[in-house]
Amino acid sequence: GAGVSQSPRYKVAKRGQDVALRCDPISGHVSLFWYQQALGQGPEFLTYFQNEAQLDKSGLPSDRFFAERPEGSVSTLKIQRTQQEDSAVYLCASRSGWMNTEAFFGQGTRLTVV
Amino acid sequence: GDSVTQMEGPVTLSEEAFLTINCTYTATGYPSLFWYVQYPGEGLQLLLKATKADDKGSNKGFEATYRKETTSFHLEKGSVQVSDSAVYFCALSEDSGGGADGLTFGKGTHLIIQP
Repeated sequence: GAGVSQSPRYKVAKRGQDVALRCDPISGHVSLFWYQQALGQGPEFLTYFQNEAQLDKSGLPSDRFFAERPEGSVSTLKIQRTQQEDSAVYLCASRSGWMNTEAFFGQGTRLTVV
Repeated sequence: GDSVTQMEGPVTLSEEAFLTINCTYTATGYPSLFWYVQYPGEGLQLLLKATKADDKGSNKGFEATYRKETTSFHLEKGSVQVSDSAVYFCALSEDSGGGADGLTFGKGTHLIIQP
């Protein structure tokens, strides 16, 4: 596709439920990032992949959050035993590589935990 | 750690008014600076960027100059339009080579332009 695609666009989960959020980056983009954007706040970094390698996961808020990118393209962010404070928009961004500093963002997945 | 501070919103202006949205940053190295825009119902889009001191980024009539001495990257536009209504985010990245570093964002400024 032409841009970064995220699915689902909206997700309502009951507290304690596991969720999986998908990101399809721009084809050929080496770098992939996940961000969490709480209501009224700027996006905050969660984790970074270079191809299939997860090089930085320092922003993941707890061990309930897990991300993978097994074949270096599509990525999944999984949240186990969701809690109300996990409610946010989860953004995925991809970047072509070393000499390109522009990150392209998807429209995000709005997660609401009830 | 790195941080970005931008003026609180909402900022409400009349069409054709002059716009300034202030942004200051704290960084350990020599970051690249960005303005992203989020139109209603859409994803974040890069508006403009500057990668070194005194660079000016510009796009769609918007400008911002990288001021190392004041650690600022204020966004300006001479004559705003209703279609400029959106949320604007100032951001930095320590990795000018486009590698591992993610972006550090400000909280965003909601701009409302009235006809």
